[in-house]
Amino acid sequence: GAVVSQHPSRVICKSGTSVKIECRSLDFQATTMFWYRQFPKKSLMLMATSNEGSKATYEQGVEKDKFLINHASLTLSTLTVTSAHPEDSSFYICSARGGEREPFFGPGTRLTVL
Amino acid sequence: GQNIDQPTEMTATEGAIVQINCTYQTSGFNGLFWYQQHAGEAPTFLSYNVLDGLEEKGRFSSFLSRSKGYSYLLLKELQMKDSASYLCAVMDSNYQLIWGAGTKLIIKP
Repeated sequence: GAVVSQHPSRVICKSGTSVKIECRSLDFQATTMFWYRQFPKKSLMLMATSNEGSKATYEQGVEKDKFLINHASLTLSTLTVTSAHPEDSSFYICSARGGEREPFFGPGTRLTVL
Repeated sequence: GQNIDQPTEMTATEGAIVQINCTYQTSGFNGLFWYQQHAGEAPTFLSYNVLDGLEEKGRFSSFLSRSKGYSYLLLKELQMKDSASYLCAVMDSNYQLIWGAGTKLIIKP
C-alpha cells in the first residue's frame, strides 16, 4: 500500500507553546488529507478535512484558530496546535487519500503537554 | 443521520474463529472498509468491499450486503497478535469516511 509519514512521532512541550505536526504522502499525490485525534481507549475523532490548495473543513466543536491546518501541496499537510494545554495531549493521526482510493494512515504523533 | 454500529468488545480463544459485525446507515455508499488498530498505533487497512459478497484475504475475510446495510469481518485461526481494535468505516456519497467506534477484540490462550 501507499506510504504516509508523520513527523514528529512523539513530542513533549510546555503549556502555552505551539506544536507543528507534518503529514506527508511519500509515493502518491494526496488530494485530501484528514486529521484525527484519539484519546486513550477511545475511537478516532475526525478533526478536519483538507483539500490541497483550499481551506480545511473543520468538524463541529473543533476550534479552527487553535488547530491550524495547511495543505500547501499534494504531498504535505501540517497541523499546528497553537498555545497547547494539557487537555490537548492526545494521539494525532493523519490520513491521506489520492482520488477515490481508500485513505492511508500515518503512524501518528503522540503529543504530551506538560 | 449517519450511523455505524459495531459491538464494543468481543472475546475469543486462540485458534478459533470470530465474526465482527457492522451495520450502517449512511447518505450514499461508496464502499466499506475494515481497519485494524493496535493500542498506541495508527489504524492499518485490512479490506475494502464495494460489491455484495465475500472477499477473502488469508486468515481474514470481509462480507458485504448493501441491501441490508451489513458487513462482517471474519478472522480465522486466531493468534494472540490479532488482539486489537477493529474499525468499520463507510465511504458516503461525498467520499467522506464515516467511522464506527471500533470493536476491541481480546484473544485468550
